[in-house]
Amino acid sequence: GAGVSQTPSNKVTEKGKYVELRCDPISGHTALYWYRQSLGQGPEFLIYFQGTGAADDSGLPNDRFFAVRPEGSVSTLKIQRTERGDSAVYLCASSLTGGAYGYTFGSGTRLTVV
Amino acid sequence: AQTVTQSQPEMSVQEAETVTLSCTYDTSESDYYLFWYKQPPSRQMILVIRQEAYKQQNATENRFSVNFQKAAKSFSLKISDSQLGDAAMYFCAYRSAMGSNFGNEKLTFGTGTRLTIIP
Repeated sequence: GAGVSQTPSNKVTEKGKYVELRCDPISGHTALYWYRQSLGQGPEFLIYFQGTGAADDSGLPNDRFFAVRPEGSVSTLKIQRTERGDSAVYLCASSLTGGAYGYTFGSGTRLTVV
Repeated sequence: AQTVTQSQPEMSVQEAETVTLSCTYDTSESDYYLFWYKQPPSRQMILVIRQEAYKQQNATENRFSVNFQKAAKSFSLKISDSQLGDAAMYFCAYRSAMGSNFGNEKLTFGTGTRLTIIP
């Protein structure tokens, strides 16, 4: 696609529920990143994929968070047993090779846990 | 670990004037990349300008330029001839140059500066 697409744009869920957030990167971009942006903060790194594999998942806050990219294109961020503290904007980005020249970001998914 | 500090939560500038946004960072590495990103209300982070630490020359992109002081670990953004469309959150970010083999692909962001343009 022309840009990085994230769906849904907004998601409201109840505490304890499971959610999936989808990212469709720019076609041909092998690197894909997930970031979390809490209110009033800068984005914080969650996970980086190179192709199908998670090359760096050091930013995932705990084992309730998991991400996959089975075919090296679309990625899904999965959050189990959501908590109110998970409320944030989840940003996805992609790049052709690595991040040395910057990424292209999507518009994010705003997750609200009530 | 690297840290990025933006000490100005909010800035305002008259349309057509010049404004400078500040950013400092802390790192023990000698080679790295620095970025300024713009985030309008649409939430999409847009790359404004990029600087390679080993290059002495300050990067410029049209009305946007940086003042990169490596010894002082300072990386400020200057916006000339400010326009209404420049209003947004601006984030400074750091990336190691060591690459993915060392687990350093991530960007480390500051907390941002909200820029308001006064017509």
